[in-house]
Amino acid sequence: DAKTTQPTSMDCAEGRAANLPCNHSTISGNEYVYWYRQIHSQGPQYIIHGLKNNETNEMASLIITEDRKSSTLILPHATLRDTAVYYCIVSSGNTGKLIFGQGTTLQVKP
Amino acid sequence: DTAVSQTPKYLVTQMGNDKSIKCEQNLGHDTMYWYKQDSKKFLKIMFSYNNKELIINETVPNRFSPKSPDKAHLNLHINSLELGDSAVYFCASSQDPGVNEKLFFGSGTQLSVL
Repeated sequence: DAKTTQPTSMDCAEGRAANLPCNHSTISGNEYVYWYRQIHSQGPQYIIHGLKNNETNEMASLIITEDRKSSTLILPHATLRDTAVYYCIVSSGNTGKLIFGQGTTLQVKP
Repeated sequence: DTAVSQTPKYLVTQMGNDKSIKCEQNLGHDTMYWYKQDSKKFLKIMFSYNNKELIINETVPNRFSPKSPDKAHLNLHINSLELGDSAVYFCASSQDPGVNEKLFFGSGTQLSVL
């Protein structure tokens, strides 16, 4: 599975959009991009995933570049409860074997 | 109702002891997993079971033995606990990993081996 690169940490003002980037330049054609987050002392939580089209759900939007080498997770109106570690994962294994990196620690500030 | 529940939440024990962590999911999923998060916060898969059958075993010491009495339960037994086993253990489940890898995680069991 392809590796991902994310910034170690980011800050965002409450109520503003949080844009979390992820590079996955070695992604192959059948690999999806998944985003999970882990709020302190909780288990990881699925957010969204996509193959090549942009995706949106009730939690976030996922923008994938045309060459699929990078993506951005967008939380449109960040709240303090969105403070968490966000993981970008690339996988085609369809086995549930998710490879978590270090992720991005997002701090939402009042 | 908690979708994936694991007990206990905290487990403190002495080296050499044997302990178990229980996991139950009420989502009707066919596949369940155990993940381990170490002190550096890296999350790694340990095992996965599909309908009570072992699918993934990630070179985990054989002191760790998962047991799946039915597809809603996946328990983790650990024999002869060592200091290095101290970590947070997460149970998870998914409907069908052949479709997508949307996993539902429990809230974790923090194991401390003294």
